[in-house]
Amino acid sequence: ELKVEQNPLFLSMQEGKNYTIYCNYSTTSDRLYWYRQDPGKSLESLFVLLSNGAVKQEGRLMASLDTKARLSTLHITAAVHDLSATYFCAASSGNTPLVFGKGTRLSVIA
Amino acid sequence: SAVISQKPSRDICQRGTSLTIQCQVDSQVTMMFWYRQQPGQSLTLIATANQGSEATYESGFVIDKFPISRPNLTFSTLTVSNMSPEDSSIYLCSVVGGEGQGLEQYFGPGTRLTVT
Repeated sequence: ELKVEQNPLFLSMQEGKNYTIYCNYSTTSDRLYWYRQDPGKSLESLFVLLSNGAVKQEGRLMASLDTKARLSTLHITAAVHDLSATYFCAASSGNTPLVFGKGTRLSVIA
Repeated sequence: SAVISQKPSRDICQRGTSLTIQCQVDSQVTMMFWYRQQPGQSLTLIATANQGSEATYESGFVIDKFPISRPNLTFSTLTVSNMSPEDSSIYLCSVVGGEGQGLEQYFGPGTRLTVT
């Protein structure tokens, strides 16, 4: 059974600092997703990572995937207040539905 | 990307009643799912909505409580039956993008349900 663990679950960052959110999954997965959720809103797709060594960047966010370690990371560079949200990673294998981590609630403070 | 709409966007219902949530997609999709997100929690898969056949339910979810219809490749409904306050959640419809969309999985805006 595929399980997904994220850490940290809560993260308070100062503006301008860098930080990384970690996502571990328990069994072989061929797709790893990162989503953002603002309070009271639905999920916004950030990245889909499909292969070992995949790295994708959008603005201050960069995601990577290491399938051998069963680990994905979401790196935040020079955080700004607008990045405050909850970030979820999710994994799946084959045609199975996504399994979500518990989410990381990020708060960027001045 | 697939554009998904859900109705209603929110509702307040009394214990013991039922609510049907509609999900409409702007393109034909093979895979459609229903998720639940309880307050402050992550997403939990309720079921996979199969076109032309019965939905596939995850452990802990049953058809009598959450009947699902999927009459075609663009539409599905989820009914929350005999509601109790524990059913208060956001219910989200999700689809996997079609050809050329790189296996993206998209989510609808959600239906926020409060049961009193």
